[in-house]
Amino acid sequence: DQQVKQNSPSLSVQEGRISILNCDYTNSMFDYFLWYKKYPAEGPTFLISISSIKDKNEDGRFTVFLNKSAKHLSLHIVPSQPGDSAVYFCACPTGTASKLTFGTGTRLQVTL
Amino acid sequence: DVKVTQSSRYLVKRTGEKVFLECVQDMDHENMFWYRQDPGLGLRLIYFSYDVKMKEKGDIPEGYSVSREKKERFSLILESASTNQTSMYLCATKTGGLYGYTFGSGTRLTVV
Repeated sequence: DQQVKQNSPSLSVQEGRISILNCDYTNSMFDYFLWYKKYPAEGPTFLISISSIKDKNEDGRFTVFLNKSAKHLSLHIVPSQPGDSAVYFCACPTGTASKLTFGTGTRLQVTL
Repeated sequence: DVKVTQSSRYLVKRTGEKVFLECVQDMDHENMFWYRQDPGLGLRLIYFSYDVKMKEKGDIPEGYSVSREKKERFSLILESASTNQTSMYLCATKTGGLYGYTFGSGTRLTVV
């Protein structure tokens, strides 16, 4: 059973507009969340994270929002740029040894 | 910056072959991980290791084994390759901060 879910496999957004990527989780005990970005033929790279003691974390064009009651987080990219076209994974630590569980990913395409 | 190197970018192997995927990190990090990435399924953890000769099963260990004889090297072994093991394999090490991972570039394995 998927503990971390991304229900939208793909998203297309025009350059300059806002991209919103969503992620849902099942366990209310999860207390830290991360977003990773992956280009084809490269490994994922860390983008931004949020602790459950916060409901928002911002880093430049990227903002992550956390709604604990809904067990939902979202990544906002404003303004979207063509270089943002990639697959985005949400993730959270589950179990021991810093193990991360990843979502299924959302492929973002930013069009000109 | 830490570097994680996967020895092969592309591999084609025959059904039933024993396959070795190698991963090397250039720092002294304890935790290393093997994931596979499949469309619609995201990143799924196969095995991880938290020290030399220490290993634990991830979410999908069936058909795989691992070896960690030296701290910098973590090998994934497909005992008898099957077509359903055709996938992108990603190695990662925990590099610091809260759950910060550095990934290798991946090995795309095709089993025919």
